[in-house]
Amino acid sequence: DSGVTQTPKHLITATGQRVTLRCSPRSGDLSVYWYQQSLDQGLQFLIQYYNGEERAKGNILERFSAQQFPDLHSELNLSSLELGDSALYFCASSVAPIQETQYFGPGTRLLVL
Amino acid sequence: SQQGEEDPQALSIQEGENATMNCSYKTSINNLQWYRQNSGRGLVHLILIRSNEREKHSGRLRVTLDTSKKSSSLLITASRAADTASYFCALGSHTGANSKLTFGKGITLSVRP
Repeated sequence: DSGVTQTPKHLITATGQRVTLRCSPRSGDLSVYWYQQSLDQGLQFLIQYYNGEERAKGNILERFSAQQFPDLHSELNLSSLELGDSALYFCASSVAPIQETQYFGPGTRLLVL
Repeated sequence: SQQGEEDPQALSIQEGENATMNCSYKTSINNLQWYRQNSGRGLVHLILIRSNEREKHSGRLRVTLDTSKKSSSLLITASRAADTASYFCALGSHTGANSKLTFGKGITLSVRP
């Protein structure tokens, strides 16, 4: 158990809908990262937050957004969902942005029908 | 490519044998990490080797890094059925006060009992 929690574990929704994925980092970790894992694209970095502020952006679509709250939990919002958004979404955390090792949560499996 | 290229894509061995997995890359890195993912689960950090290191050990794991050839290998000795998982090479780079991980597509290791 990495200490990173993600909810929900599974999510089934329809095209065009909006969902919110939630992540709680390890105790003491200030930096949160979001990744998308799909069969064709592999593990893609989406976005990073540090202590409430956006730190780095990766291959995140404009339909997706994220934020980190004062209690350090983070939410990833996915809107206007398409079939291709079906994937595993992982959250990871680290103490600080410069820390090299990331600790991953169990993921949220999103299925868009 | 900014991500590591793992080789082979899939590996099947008998319990007790050694498993060797390779990762090649093209960019400059600060460190290289290996992660393991059990089917549909979160990634687990295995080992990190910095760019000024050549070899590291952790239990049954041995990782080497050759920065002149831009390649790394992960050796799992005396494999067990429980080692069956996907293994990912992640390239660590520092940009200012931030660190970034770029994951490869992974190697599927199957250890037959």
